[in-house]
Amino acid sequence: RKEVEQDPGPFNVPEGATVAFNCTYSNSASQSFFWYRQDCRKEPKLLMSVYSSGNEDGRFTAQLNRASQYISLLIRDSKLSDSATYLCGGDSGYALNFGKGTSLLVTP
Amino acid sequence: DVKVTQSSRYLVKRTGEKVFLECVQDMDHENMFWYRQDPGLGLRLIYFSYDVKMKEKGDIPEGYSVSREKKERFSLILESASTNQTSMYLCASSLRQLESSPLHFGNGTRLTVT
Repeated sequence: RKEVEQDPGPFNVPEGATVAFNCTYSNSASQSFFWYRQDCRKEPKLLMSVYSSGNEDGRFTAQLNRASQYISLLIRDSKLSDSATYLCGGDSGYALNFGKGTSLLVTP
Repeated sequence: DVKVTQSSRYLVKRTGEKVFLECVQDMDHENMFWYRQDPGLGLRLIYFSYDVKMKEKGDIPEGYSVSREKKERFSLILESASTNQTSMYLCASSLRQLESSPLHFGNGTRLTVT
């Protein structure tokens, strides 16, 4: 069983919609979690870190639920430019384990 | 801004060739990583290094080796390339404490083995 799992989607949403992704992890010892954004044929880029208290960056909100072992990403007021694959990552000591990514397509 | 540079954007090699993928980072990061990314399989960790001359196997080390002679440079070596090693290879670096410094990726090397 993969340590980090995501729904691959695709999620097709209209511009302006709110969309949420979840990601579950199996390693209860994981301490650090992150969301990355990856555009087609490009490298993953850090979107935001995820803290137990939750954190917000503009239209993006990330949450960590340690009891249920999942992290979430909420995108409000979706833009066409948000279309990408979103990867969640959780640490396994020195390295990050990643989910396979969730594909988001925002349509006009 | 952290810069992780991979020496080649695209490579085409023949089966059986020895292949070197080079990665350099300019932020004095202790940790360096090699992942490969394949459709439907996501990012998989091949090897990582947390210090000069130190290396640790990741999830799929078979067919690969690594070298870290200097802190800023981490090389991935395919001793005898095979067609199932055709993939996108991504190098990354971070500070030792992941919570304070998540991974920063290079722009990838797309390797084709024919």
